[in-house]
Amino acid sequence: DAGVTQSPTHLIKTRGQQVTLRCSPKSGHDTVSWYQQALGQGPQFIFQYYEEEERQRGNFPDRFSGHQFPNYSSELNVNALLLGDSALYLCASSLPGGTIYFGEGSWLTVV
Amino acid sequence: QKEVEQNSGPLSVPEGAIASLNCTYSDRGSQSFFWYRQYSGKSPELIMFIYSNGDKEDGRFTAQLNKASQYVSLLIRDSQPSDSATYLCAVNIESGATNKLIFGTGTLLAVQP
Repeated sequence: DAGVTQSPTHLIKTRGQQVTLRCSPKSGHDTVSWYQQALGQGPQFIFQYYEEEERQRGNFPDRFSGHQFPNYSSELNVNALLLGDSALYLCASSLPGGTIYFGEGSWLTVV
Repeated sequence: QKEVEQNSGPLSVPEGAIASLNCTYSDRGSQSFFWYRQYSGKSPELIMFIYSNGDKEDGRFTAQLNKASQYVSLLIRDSQPSDSATYLCAVNIESGATNKLIFGTGTLLAVQP
């Protein structure tokens, strides 16, 4: 049973660029959430997708956007990258209201 | 006031001892609570969850919940060097059909051989 898979694992971008991160949820899960974890901090909720709609959003600017596809996979897009966007980006999947499982994450470095 | 608070540590315990990790939360309406373990450079791994007041045991791990005091703890018995990691406490916040986790900053545990 495949768990939550994310790609790419590591990437380096330049300030002002755009990045897309991808996630495939755990088999049977239809809800995908994205979290940002800065160094030394706990993960912070970015947003959640269910039935291809953004259902809930955390305190992140509009530069952060996402999408969920009919097969429940998801993308996180960040525009106009800032140095402060450097972090581990975690995708999590669940059934609605269910236990949340995390993928291995995508390490983003902005230089 | 932070929604979920943990002592950042490091908490250092000798091998074989009991490690006690603590967490307080501010939302009295919270119903479910999670402990994740995170090794350096890795993603969080779910260890335990607890919904009801009292203790819940799973192997060497025991989660304790006191909703009146808004307090959650994790006890690790017979601590091993492999338990050295950051332990994240998370509170599940439900809103209609959606939910999200609010995390503390984590407690770094170091088990000394």
